[in-house]
This record gives sequence, C-alpha cells and structure tokens, in this order.
Amino acid sequence: QLVLTQSPSASASLGASVKFTCTLSSGHTNYAITWHQQQPEKGPRYLMKVNSDGSHIKGDGIPDRFSGSTSGAERYLSISSLQSEDEADYYCQTWGTGIRVFGGGTKLTV
Amino acid sequence: EVQLVESGGGLIQPGGSLRLSCAASGFIVTRNYMSWVRQAPGKGLEWVSVIYSGGSIYYADSVKGRFTISRDNSKNTVDLQMNSLRADDTAVYYCVRDSSGSGFDYWGQGTLVTVSS
Repeated sequence: QLVLTQSPSASASLGASVKFTCTLSSGHTNYAITWHQQQPEKGPRYLMKVNSDGSHIKGDGIPDRFSGSTSGAERYLSISSLQSEDEADYYCQTWGTGIRVFGGGTKLTV
Repeated sequence: EVQLVESGGGLIQPGGSLRLSCAASGFIVTRNYMSWVRQAPGKGLEWVSVIYSGGSIYYADSVKGRFTISRDNSKNTVDLQMNSLRADDTAVYYCVRDSSGSGFDYWGQGTLVTVSS
C-alpha cells in the first residue's frame, strides 16, 4: 500500500533552518514526490518535485531558500533563513496508476 | 499564466447533489491529468478523483459510486458531479493540475461544500 509518513509538527526560530521528512512506504521507495505549502486560511501552493535521485524541480517563484533532497525512502524539504510567512502546513504527495496520496502534513511554527 | 478557478460550492442537504466546475486557463485540460482534492475543516488534504489525458478515470474509495469526474473540451473545464452527499463530504474542494502524472503543480483557490440539514 502506497503511504507517505510525515511528522505532525516542527518548530524553528526566525532566520534558522528546518528540514521536513516524508517517508515512502516499503515497495515504493523509488517514487518521486511533490511538496506543497499551505499558509493559514489559504489554499495549497506547489513548492517542488523531488525525484528518487535527489534532483528537484521547483515551482514558479519559489525562493532559493527552499530546496529538496533524497536519502533512500526519505524525501526532504529544507527551508533556510526562515521568515514569518514560512509558518504553514507542509504536505508531501505522490502518485501511482489510479491513485494519488498525501502525507498527513507537518505544521511548522516559526 | 496557468489559472484554475472553481465554482459551484454551497450548502446542500444530506442526500442531495451538487456539481462543481473548474475553469482552466493557460493550458489545455485534455493534454494534462486533472484531479480534485478536498480538505475537511481542520483536516489534511485528501485526493478525490483524477481524469487522465487519455480519458481514464479513478476515484478514492470514499467517493466511488457517488462522484463523477468529467471534462468539457470546448470549455476547457473539469467538473465533479457529487451525488448522495453526506456530512463527511463537507470540505473545501480544490481543482489541481496533475501534470501528466508528474505530481500536482497548480492549484485552484477552492470552493466550499457544506453538507448539512
């Protein structure tokens, strides 16, 4: 079964860095994922796609402070130089034939 | 510029029907996969349905048999017909471009569906 696992919460200080983890279920460890940000009271926004080889492709207008990486079954989203507007929920998402899956989301407190 | 604009949400009684529409601009719907995703109040994101560029259609188990996704090539829109609505269908519904199977890359602003008597 295709499942994505995320920690429910994270916190970091203004100007610091944070790294989110999204873990793919067994048997699906070579899947690509996408990351999405949802600020309070807003709709989600696409951040980037992270491939199994660690390469990532960012969406339009996503700052250089945001980056993606990979280690085995884990896909990461890193944010440096945290700003107040980075306080949001962060979701990972993946797909297979006829199915799309979201992680439970990580709430970032800055 | 890619844009997705949903419409059709509102308050509906349990057992009722509602049709959501998503107007796309900046790209051609039939050349992409298109999904609907929903978010219940205070909850995470839940995928609802996808229509592939080739026309194949899939649904989440929670809506199978009740919801129908379709597209109108002439209007460049994607619709979601929702029947037999239940209280747990209450959510903001988002239209999302599915980038031909490379993940979601553009979101609409969402439309709220409230199922309540």
